[in-house]
Amino acid sequence: EVQLVQSGAEVKKPGATVKISCRVSGYTFTDFYLHWLKQAPEKGLEWLGLVDPEDGATIYAENFQDRITLTADTSTDTVYMDLSSLTSDDSAIYYCAAGGTSDDGFNRFGPWGQGTPVIVSS
Amino acid sequence: DIVMTQSPDSLAVSLGERATINCKSSRNILYSSDNKNYLAWYQQKPGQPPKVLISWASTRESGVPDRFSGSGSGTDFSLTISSLQAEDVAVYYCQQYYNPPFTFGGGTKVEIK
Repeated sequence: EVQLVQSGAEVKKPGATVKISCRVSGYTFTDFYLHWLKQAPEKGLEWLGLVDPEDGATIYAENFQDRITLTADTSTDTVYMDLSSLTSDDSAIYYCAAGGTSDDGFNRFGPWGQGTPVIVSS
Repeated sequence: DIVMTQSPDSLAVSLGERATINCKSSRNILYSSDNKNYLAWYQQKPGQPPKVLISWASTRESGVPDRFSGSGSGTDFSLTISSLQAEDVAVYYCQQYYNPPFTFGGGTKVEIK
């Protein structure tokens, strides 16, 4: 069974950095891009970026490229998202999702993680 | 960026009746080299992550009931639930995966009338 399991909820102060993990199981880790998405309370979905676990290549959304770092650890089949300089606008649920490959191109987002709530508050 | 515009924002339909959601992209998302529309539909229920229902504009994912269907090409797409069931109450999103940044429509909330 394919599973993406994310780390738990975070509470951070403004200006801090949050690190969220997403551990993959049930398929070969390097087979698919891993994406990160944000869903603010009662809001829609916003794509933040992707990492190719095969070689660590990344693509970031322009709005976040100065504050986000995505990495992949092939020894633990885990991807990480670091988001820095947090403000209250970053309070949201963050999801990882798998989809697309470097060989076949972009594709829909298949399995999703369960989501990690992040609260930014002084 | 490709802007995805969904309509309506919300929809109340009687059980067993048809529900149709529309999605318009600001640019053509039909890739000429493979003749595929890079458009997916997702269902999100409260407290859950989104679940993909349809990819390539009209291909149902494994396990998705056949009352869900997708249609359209180029810039105009739709998702139809042919006979609404109670378990279909959710928010539905369209998404383009033609080019990053991958963008979503604003969502359509489907409720029972």
